[in-house]
Amino acid sequence: GESVGLHLPTLSVQEGDNSIINCAYSNSASDYFIWYKQESGKGPQFIIDIRSNMDKRQGQRVTVLLNKTVKHLSLQIAATQPGDSAVYFCAERMDSSYKLIFGSGTRLLVRP
Amino acid sequence: GAGVSQSPRYKVAKRGQDVALRCDPISGHVSLFWYQQALGQGPEFLTYFQNEAQLDKSGLPSDRFFAERPEGSVSTLKIQRTQQEDSAVYLCASSPSGSRQFFGPGTRLTVL
Repeated sequence: GESVGLHLPTLSVQEGDNSIINCAYSNSASDYFIWYKQESGKGPQFIIDIRSNMDKRQGQRVTVLLNKTVKHLSLQIAATQPGDSAVYFCAERMDSSYKLIFGSGTRLLVRP
Repeated sequence: GAGVSQSPRYKVAKRGQDVALRCDPISGHVSLFWYQQALGQGPEFLTYFQNEAQLDKSGLPSDRFFAERPEGSVSTLKIQRTQQEDSAVYLCASSPSGSRQFFGPGTRLTVL
């Protein structure tokens, strides 16, 4: 993905509100997508994944939506909490290769 | 349960020194990946192992980078004659199947 260096796109939400983080992926041949949460000084933490034969998948407080027509992925977080503050990365994978290709990330800030 | 562990967590090297970074994957995970993460950016793929076989090393930036996983468990990423541009966080991930990847905390390498 395109590098934005230290100036990550930032989403600021009020505690208790819902958050929507968007991601545009690059390859129409990608068949698997995954969202990670990364807190400062830690490795990426798995949140939720989705295969290309689905357009929606729900987890605990999180929902991932996939729109293959426009190559768009979104992560919805319900009732956002202060502990959700982190950088969120989407990643795609082509079935022909196991490597993940990460997007540039979005910083989520939760206001108390 | 035990996750992916990496050591050391921090490494400072003088330019020209060799370094070795260790990854202990989740027990039983067949697939192991190394990624490099520059400050403020998403992780970038370096190399992939399935058991002891290195199936993809297309992301290694130069022949100074070498990875091994001789017994199909622990892996070591070695960087010879380190350069300042090698400064980054090196992340290891393991997976039971190659899809959902679980990351370790990373090793932050600083080359002076």
